[in-house]
Amino acid sequence: DGGITQSPKYLFRKEGQNVTLSCEQNLNHDAMYWYRQDPGQGLRLIYYSQIVNDFQKGDIAEGYSVSREKKESFPLTVTSAQKNPTAFYLCASQAGANTEAFFGQGTRLTVV
Amino acid sequence: GENVEQHPSTLSVQEGDSAVIKCTYSDSASNYFPWYKQELGKRPQLIIDIRSNVGEKKDQRIAVTLNKTAKHFSLHITETQPEDSAVYFCAASGYSTLTFGKGTMLLVSP
Repeated sequence: DGGITQSPKYLFRKEGQNVTLSCEQNLNHDAMYWYRQDPGQGLRLIYYSQIVNDFQKGDIAEGYSVSREKKESFPLTVTSAQKNPTAFYLCASQAGANTEAFFGQGTRLTVV
Repeated sequence: GENVEQHPSTLSVQEGDSAVIKCTYSDSASNYFPWYKQELGKRPQLIIDIRSNVGEKKDQRIAVTLNKTAKHFSLHITETQPEDSAVYFCAASGYSTLTFGKGTMLLVSP
């Protein structure tokens, strides 16, 4: 079953802790993206990667880090430096520029 | 960078009415304009897209129009049904990343 999978679906973090969100795709897509979704804010780009071992900062990269060691995987780490991490995080992949973006089901992160 | 404005933020219609959502973009180099539908608690999914060499595209009850001169594009849904209730996002891109509008919550009342 082809697609893009995020885990976990829900994640709770204590203040001061780093957490890592998983994103895996088996669509053979080169490009992968992380978005943050807050009510009334749309989808804001955190980081993206257009090829293995390379990634670029998006509009709101501060307090986040990523890696792209494999084509299939693009994990996002929310660090303790992120001031307001509670949000819904969406991972996406595209075969190339100006093609359909496929989204994962999202991870809802809550700081407790 | 690209900036996409989307209006209205909320739209309420009666079943069977038409709904129109409008977006403007700032970067004249943008040439791809997709629309995504996100139902409550679910992932966004592409419903229709248009490229800059086309002025209008239709798929059953949905259509998108593009005016490159004015830098705006619109989503039209005819004969709305309760299952059309969702948040709709427009987006624009050139040769890099997608920039999304802030979304429109469409509520279709039976």
